[in-house]
Amino acid sequence: ETGVTQTPRHLVMGMTNKKSLKCEQHLGHNAMYWYKQSAKKPLELMFVYNFKEQTENNSVPSRFSPECPNSSHLFLHLHTLQPEDSALYLCASSQDGRDTQYFGPGTRLTVL
Amino acid sequence: GQQLNQSPQSMFIQEGEDVSMNCTSSSIFNTWLWYKQDPGEGPVLLIALYKAGELTSNGRLTAQFGITRKDSFLNISASIPSDVGIYFCAGLTSGTYKYIFGTGTRLKVLA
Repeated sequence: ETGVTQTPRHLVMGMTNKKSLKCEQHLGHNAMYWYKQSAKKPLELMFVYNFKEQTENNSVPSRFSPECPNSSHLFLHLHTLQPEDSALYLCASSQDGRDTQYFGPGTRLTVL
Repeated sequence: GQQLNQSPQSMFIQEGEDVSMNCTSSSIFNTWLWYKQDPGEGPVLLIALYKAGELTSNGRLTAQFGITRKDSFLNISASIPSDVGIYFCAGLTSGTYKYIFGTGTRLKVLA
């Protein structure tokens, strides 16, 4: 396994569904991140975890719920999403909170 | 809030041409990163810059950390079709230590 992996790569869900995105990093890093990427917008930082502790919640709606059980795994639990939440969700990791970030391939989410 | 202005937004070039793009801000940054993103994939790190004035190369790519610490430049020499993609800059802010991302430069190479 190399780098940062994300599953699933594609997800289509209804507004009443509950689903989870998974991220795993094999780089021995201590910080992990969730970003949202929408068309023609800069990457939006959602959450930051440093040594399994959440250090940043960038005013993200509560329908997005992150979980970081250990330094290698990061989840994003989704429930009652809206169509405007459709986007590419990217996970990243870095050695610490200030170091260079390495991204996963992303999960393309479509909310119907 | 802090913003990164990345230009150009998009460009078409002929294969073999050199390409230049830049990111500018009114804020000071401690680190500059340049990424490339292919369709349906995550950004891949190309070059990292850690000191003002630093010039770093990665194959045909060269990036510079501006002396004022408010800008950075990326050059691609002798472009080839696989250079197609979106190039992002990211700056690590000096105060809050967060990465701010540019909106990207979409590069299309005509064979």
